[in-house]
Amino acid sequence: AQSVTQLDSQVPVFEEAPVELRCNYSSSVSVYLFWYVQYPNQGLQLLLKYLSGSTLVKGINGFEAEFNKSQTSFHLRKPSVHISDTAEYFCAVIYNQGGKLIFGQGTELSVKP
Amino acid sequence: GAGVSQTPSNKVTEKGKYVELRCDPISGHTALYWYRQSLGQGPEFLIYFQGTGAADDSGLPNDRFFAVRPEGSVSTLKIQRTERGDSAVYLCASSFSGGTYGYTFGSGTRLTVV
Repeated sequence: AQSVTQLDSQVPVFEEAPVELRCNYSSSVSVYLFWYVQYPNQGLQLLLKYLSGSTLVKGINGFEAEFNKSQTSFHLRKPSVHISDTAEYFCAVIYNQGGKLIFGQGTELSVKP
Repeated sequence: GAGVSQTPSNKVTEKGKYVELRCDPISGHTALYWYRQSLGQGPEFLIYFQGTGAADDSGLPNDRFFAVRPEGSVSTLKIQRTERGDSAVYLCASSFSGGTYGYTFGSGTRLTVV
């Protein structure tokens, strides 16, 4: 079955520390990969996406993610986080150009001073 | 419009009642999607329209849920005989065909069934 797994439900981290949020997806012929962020009481906002080409993708707010086909992963990273990065982060996948996004369960990133 | 608009933003209804949730997508976006998000969960796919037709309705949980998009723009999600388990935030998104450039989400309608 097509699914998306976010391995950590909560990630606490101190300000200015690096962070990695993990995402794995079901193996498939074709995948398009996305990360969305949801700030408290706000809607979902696109952070970055991988469609093809370079496996390292840069997004907004200093985030980046790397597509690893052999490990079926698309982990999100930031070298130095800010308090304002505190939010829920969702990994999502479109399988086989099927149009619909399938979301993971989300990772709550909590940045502490 | 400038973004995806969902109305109402909040809806409280009694168990057994009928509700309609409206979504007004970005002008020019041919694809429209409905999701449901329960507390602490990721968005769960319900239905996807390409133009006026439902391209994929595999996520609708049962026949109490129905959605329409008669003119290929505004969409309405309809829930009959509401149950307390239907309480969630219902999200609408729109995109250009295929969704590969990413969806734009609305702020959602918070449905509470009492």
